Amino acid sequence: EVHLLESGGGLVQPGGSLRLSCGVSGFIFSEYGMSWVRQAPGKGLEWVSSMSGGGEDIRYADSVKGRFIISRDNSKNKLYLQMNSLRAEDTAVYYCAKRWEAGGTGGCLDPWGQGTLVTVSS
Amino acid sequence: EIVLTQSPATLSLSPGERATLSCRASQSVSTSLAWYQQKPGQAPRLLMYGASDTATGIPARFSGSGSGTDFTLTISSLEAEDFAVYYCQQRYEWPISFGQGTRLEIK
Repeated sequence: EVHLLESGGGLVQPGGSLRLSCGVSGFIFSEYGMSWVRQAPGKGLEWVSSMSGGGEDIRYADSVKGRFIISRDNSKNKLYLQMNSLRAEDTAVYYCAKRWEAGGTGGCLDPWGQGTLVTVSS
Repeated sequence: EIVLTQSPATLSLSPGERATLSCRASQSVSTSLAWYQQKPGQAPRLLMYGASDTATGIPARFSGSGSGTDFTLTISSLEAEDFAVYYCQQRYEWPISFGQGTRLEIK
């Protein structure tokens, strides 16, 4: 069974940094693109970033470009999101999600982790 | 950037009724459209991909249709567990985008 588990969320001051992790199991991690999607409290889904299985293709939403860095360690079955220069509007539940099909980047996402809450506030 | 507009924002129906949810794209996405279901406190779950293909484990009462700019998710006969928020998502081009969601509530 495929399983994704995010960690690393918490309260951080504006301008601060946080690193999210997503541990996965149940599939060959290196064969699948992975993504981060966030959801502000009471709001809809917003795609944040995606990375291909081998790490050669990386995409960012304009809202986080230059501030967030996606990475992965295929030897550890881990996906990361380094978040710098955090703003109040980055407050959200952050989900990691697996690409539905092997190969490629982005695409349809399934399954998703349970999410980790990031709160940016002074 | 492709903008997805879902309608209605809220749909109030009773169990056993048919639900029709709409998603309109600001430009053609061919059939590169997916639907997700999200229940309170849970992560989204993939329902449909390729506009009309049902994801693994999704009941047969869910169906999708459309291509280009207009898409529909239909639930043929609502069951209690179907009341949730539904999102469409395009993967036709970057950036990936989601609709704002349709809340399906019990009437």
